[in-house]
Amino acid sequence: AQRVTQPEKLLSVFKGAPVELKCNYSYSGSPELFWYVQYSRQRLQLLLRHISRESIKGFTADLNKGETSFHLKKPFAQEEDSAMYYCALRSWAGNTPLVFGKGTRLSVIA
Amino acid sequence: DVKVTQSSRYLVKRTGEKVFLECVQDMDHENMFWYRQDPGLGLRLIYFSYDVKMKEKGDIPEGYSVSREKKERFSLILESASTNQTSMYLCASSSATVDFGDGTRLSIL
Repeated sequence: AQRVTQPEKLLSVFKGAPVELKCNYSYSGSPELFWYVQYSRQRLQLLLRHISRESIKGFTADLNKGETSFHLKKPFAQEEDSAMYYCALRSWAGNTPLVFGKGTRLSVIA
Repeated sequence: DVKVTQSSRYLVKRTGEKVFLECVQDMDHENMFWYRQDPGLGLRLIYFSYDVKMKEKGDIPEGYSVSREKKERFSLILESASTNQTSMYLCASSSATVDFGDGTRLSIL
């Protein structure tokens, strides 16, 4: 069964502190992993895809197939990072729907 | 940029009404999706479509149906609205990545 688990509903950190948003998954085969972000009153938007291996807004995420994890990290949190973050997966073929975790709300405290 | 447009940002309907939520995308994508977003539950897939006149049930299709008569338009229909269908509804379309609309916040009274 496909499943995405984000164990933290809410994560509060101080500005300038490191951030790690956890994501674990179960999937038969090799999935494609994503992080989506939703800022207040804005649409859900793509933050990262694991195949692109980019750093977006200072965030990175590494796929660990052994631990079936795709944790999102940023070394120094900014107030503008406060948002709802969703981890998601789909098949490599790209023609299946995204399966989402329940989301983690990140609150960066000044 | 892909533009996914949902016809209403806010909608208030009464129990038992038939409700139509419309979604249009402008990038000729074949794949379109409807999700509902609820606090603590994340995004749950209602229906999706890979082509015109094709539809597939998602994880929570009960009480909903869809229509895809044209490639760019994917409609979600609440056959007889109930209060437990009060939610945020998100439409999406995809090629390499999935792009979302602004959402429709639907309240059923």
